[in-house]
Amino acid sequence: EAGVAQSPRYKIIEKRQSVAFWCNPISGHATLYWYQQILGQGPKLLIQFQNNGVVDDSQLPKDRFSAERLKGVDSTLKIQPAKLEDSAVYLCASSAKDLRDGNGYTFGSGTRLTVV
Amino acid sequence: AQTVTQSQPEMSVQEAETVTLSCTYDTSESDYYLFWYKQPPSRQMILVIRQEAYKQQNATENRFSVNFQKAAKSFSLKISDSQLGDAAMYFCAYRSYVNTGNQFYFGTGTSLTVIP
Repeated sequence: EAGVAQSPRYKIIEKRQSVAFWCNPISGHATLYWYQQILGQGPKLLIQFQNNGVVDDSQLPKDRFSAERLKGVDSTLKIQPAKLEDSAVYLCASSAKDLRDGNGYTFGSGTRLTVV
Repeated sequence: AQTVTQSQPEMSVQEAETVTLSCTYDTSESDYYLFWYKQPPSRQMILVIRQEAYKQQNATENRFSVNFQKAAKSFSLKISDSQLGDAAMYFCAYRSYVNTGNQFYFGTGTSLTVIP
């Protein structure tokens, strides 16, 4: 079974530029999550999708961050314009459904963003 | 909101020895799940072990076991017979049992070094 695919693996941009990250979840997984992991911290949820609908985006900085999952499969996360404090690893995860016990919840390897 | 605290930023252990990583959490809920995740340099979060709060018996997975003290809100991870491949960041995480669409709350992590 293929894992959660993310690209790019690394990205360096200047502040005020825009950037987009892509995630392809495990086939058949209805729920998709984007997490932000700042250096020295644990991952923090940014947004959760169930199929192509948003379940929770309460911690997404909506003035600069946006995300979509138009066909209920792939997802993109965009930052525009980027700030220095957006430097972090952006992790995507998916699960067959919202399994609170964590079973079948799979993370990708993330995109490391550096804003200079 | 739930908080997870890991007070040991770094730990080291001699190969084949035993090490214990500490975690405390704060919640007003009575039912929840607790997890330990491992994050190697590849950045992918890998589930090590999970505990259901309603179970009194401590979870074990081969060389990994937990000491779950619900009243004290403590959840430590014991790694026995440490191996070089155990070297990684370890994150303690909490997830609600009741609320749907709920996120993982992660601690700040403990960096484990295994000394040959």
